[in-house]
Amino acid sequence: DAGVTQSPTHLIKTRGQHVTLRCSPISGHKSVSWYQQVLGQGPQFIFQYYEKEERGRGNFPDRFSARQFPNYSSELNVNALLLGDSALYLCASSFVTEEQFFGPGTRLTVL
Amino acid sequence: DQQVKQNSPSLSVQEGRISILNCDYTNSMFDYFLWYKKYPAEGPTFLISISSIKDKNEDGRFTVFLNKSAKHLSLHIVPSQPGDSAVYFCAATYNFNKFYFGSGTKLNVKP
Repeated sequence: DAGVTQSPTHLIKTRGQHVTLRCSPISGHKSVSWYQQVLGQGPQFIFQYYEKEERGRGNFPDRFSARQFPNYSSELNVNALLLGDSALYLCASSFVTEEQFFGPGTRLTVL
Repeated sequence: DQQVKQNSPSLSVQEGRISILNCDYTNSMFDYFLWYKKYPAEGPTFLISISSIKDKNEDGRFTVFLNKSAKHLSLHIVPSQPGDSAVYFCAATYNFNKFYFGSGTKLNVKP
């Protein structure tokens, strides 16, 4: 069975640019969550979507947005990139329950 | 606002002995707690969880203890194996809409 997949694996952008990260959940999973992990810290919750509706939002500025598609895949968009947005972005999917399955992440570098 | 804290960045244990990883939280609304394990270049992997209505949950070599009055949980690994060497994150949630992670403890199990 395919796990959670994320694309791209690595990304380099410059300040002020916009970025779109993509996530495909495990087949059958209807919930997708996004996290930002800065080096040396734990994952910080950004968004959770369930059945295409936003269920939860972390403490991130409006530059961060996300959406979930009918096939349950998801995109995370970040506008007006800052140097501090450089991080590993993790996507996790779950069926309904608390057990989340994480993808390998997208490493974003902002120069 | 760090609602989940792991105060030990690292722990070194001899193979066969017990590993005890600790986690503290501040929000009494949390109703579910989870432990994740992370290897380099991979996303976190779910390990074990516990509901706030319980004080212990066991799964093979892994046991999680919850002390609600102290707002403290711990993960015990017995016996520890070299393959257990990884970064361990504790996480907490209420209503499964938002998840809060600690900063992680790097466990090194020496052969």
